[in-house]
Amino acid sequence: GENVEQHPSTLSVQEGDSAVIKCTYSDSASNYFPWYKQELGKRPQLIIDIRSNVGEKKDQRIAVTLNKTAKHFSLHITETQPEDSAVYFCAASTGRNTGFQKLVFGTGTRLLVSP
Amino acid sequence: GAGVSQSPRYKVAKRGQDVALRCDPISGHVSLFWYQQALGQGPEFLTYFQNEAQLDKSGLPSDRFFAERPEGSVSTLKIQRTQQEDSAVYLCASSSGGTGYIYEQYFGPGTRLTVT
Repeated sequence: GENVEQHPSTLSVQEGDSAVIKCTYSDSASNYFPWYKQELGKRPQLIIDIRSNVGEKKDQRIAVTLNKTAKHFSLHITETQPEDSAVYFCAASTGRNTGFQKLVFGTGTRLLVSP
Repeated sequence: GAGVSQSPRYKVAKRGQDVALRCDPISGHVSLFWYQQALGQGPEFLTYFQNEAQLDKSGLPSDRFFAERPEGSVSTLKIQRTQQEDSAVYLCASSSGGTGYIYEQYFGPGTRLTVT
């Protein structure tokens, strides 16, 4: 089955710096890769996603890149702000060949942005 | 519009008790997922419904776990004879599409279950 690995587990940056979180996946049939932000005690919130037919997607300060050959994808946050502090989860779809797809999540990255 | 809601938000159960957790998906969403999130971990898939049909229950950890969505809207996750290892946050997510194409999933706030 699909396995998603996420690094680093914790990331501390200064306000204004960039942050990069990386994930790898194992199922070559995966075609959907969302990123979720989860603040303490809150629900995971979808912040950006990418499908396998594109290599990069941007939304203001956040961007995601996908390398299908290497089976890895990354989240990039520029000009970080204290309110970006949260746990970020990557996920990859699996089960494409069964007609039903579900998500497998990484173990999360705790991002701390210091003022 | 209204997002995914779950109730109760917190549940404390004594070992051996049965619990029922409720999920109200976004109106009109065809797909509904249940996940279990242990402390410090990512959500782990439990089961999936397309309308009222349970199409995948491969993630349910034991036969003590049972889920239903009888009218294709509200879903209930039931855990019988709770054990301490069942302590976790149970998340529900819904999406607008069905099989064949994976759509964005939107999560509820979760139910934190503590088994004492």
